[in-house]
Parts: sequence; C-alpha cells; structure tokens
Amino acid sequence: GNSVTQMEGPVTLSEEAFLTINCTYTATGYPSLFWYVQYPGEGLQLLLKATKADDKGSNKGFEATYRKETTSFHLEKGSVQVSDSAVYFCALLNSGGSNYKLTFGKGTLLTVNP
Amino acid sequence: ETGVTQTPRHLVMGMTNKKSLKCEQHLGHNAMYWYKQSAKKPLELMFVYSLEERVENNSVPSRFSPECPNSSHLFLHLHTLQPEDSALYLCASSQGIGGDYGYTFGSGTRLTVV
Repeated sequence: GNSVTQMEGPVTLSEEAFLTINCTYTATGYPSLFWYVQYPGEGLQLLLKATKADDKGSNKGFEATYRKETTSFHLEKGSVQVSDSAVYFCALLNSGGSNYKLTFGKGTLLTVNP
Repeated sequence: ETGVTQTPRHLVMGMTNKKSLKCEQHLGHNAMYWYKQSAKKPLELMFVYSLEERVENNSVPSRFSPECPNSSHLFLHLHTLQPEDSALYLCASSQGIGGDYGYTFGSGTRLTVV
C-alpha cells in the first residue's frame, strides 16, 4: 500500500534560518507528490507539487525535488519568515486505475520566531 | 477565500444530537471529499463523491452519513456521535478523480462531541 513518512515535529527556527522537512514515501507505480500547508485555523492549501521523477516543485520560496532513487520529496526553504509558521503535510497520489486517494503524512509543525 | 466553503466553522453537540455539516464549492469541480483530521494522526479519507455518486466509503461508521445533492454541495449528517469523533472535518474538491488533480480544501468544521 501507499504511505508517507514525515519527520516528527515540532520544528522551531529563527527567522532567516534554512528549513528542511524530510518526507519519504512508499508507493506502487509512479505517484505524484505534493506538499500542503495548513495555517492556524485554516484548511489545507496546496503549496507545490511534482508529477514525475526529477521534477522540482516550487512556490513562495519553497522547493522540493522528486527523488525516485531515494523515494523522497524533502521540502526546503532558504530563509524562513515568521509568516511561514504552519503545519506542513507531504502527500502522494497514485495516478492511473481507480486509485485516486491522496495519502498524507502526519504533518510537521513549523514555528518561526522573530 | 479558498473556493470551498464549510459551515459551521465550530460545532459542539451532545451524543444524542443530530447535526449536519455543509460544504459548498463553485469551482466547477466534479469530485468532493470528506476528510477527518485528528490530533497526531494522518488525515483520514472518509467519503469520495464523483459526479454526485459515492465512489468510496472508507469503513466509516454509520453514524456518519454523507449526502451529495449536486456537484456543488456536500453534506455530512451526524447522529449519536461519540467523544472520539471530536476532530476537524475537512471538505475538499477536485476537478476530477485520479491523475494529479490538485485538491482545494475548505477551512474545516471543528467538531466537539460532549
């Protein structure tokens, strides 16, 4: 079956620090990979995605590269801001057939201090 | 405004009550979903509707009853819930099911069962 494993949080950083949130996955076939972000009191928002190996998704200064050889999709940002404080979810979706379910990791809480 | 609107934002109900959660989208999407988000657990897919037909019932107890009267509206009817059903219930929609369609999530309904 499909599964997503994220690094345990919480992660606490100072403003302008470098961020990495690790994500690895197990899936059959060739899944699409996503990062979603959930700000306090809100639902999930799509942050970025990658649909095939070696693709790099990017948005708002965040990046993640689809690494098939290591089954990973780590999220990075070079300089975080206080406004990046949120919960980040890694997710995968297996394309093809009737498998259309997004499988999520447990989420990683990021707190950025001024 | 994410394009997916959920009401109410907060709900407190007793174990013998009957209530309904509402989800509405005007994005022209054909698929809608209910997810349950509990503390320290991955998001759990509950129900999937495609073109108003239920295509997934993920072993959800019968005290949760979904309804999709048209492609823009999705309800979750609740009755005789248990305290462990307290969670954030998220509605999402997508253009279709399968492939790598991004999901648009609502802000959720925070449900507390007393």
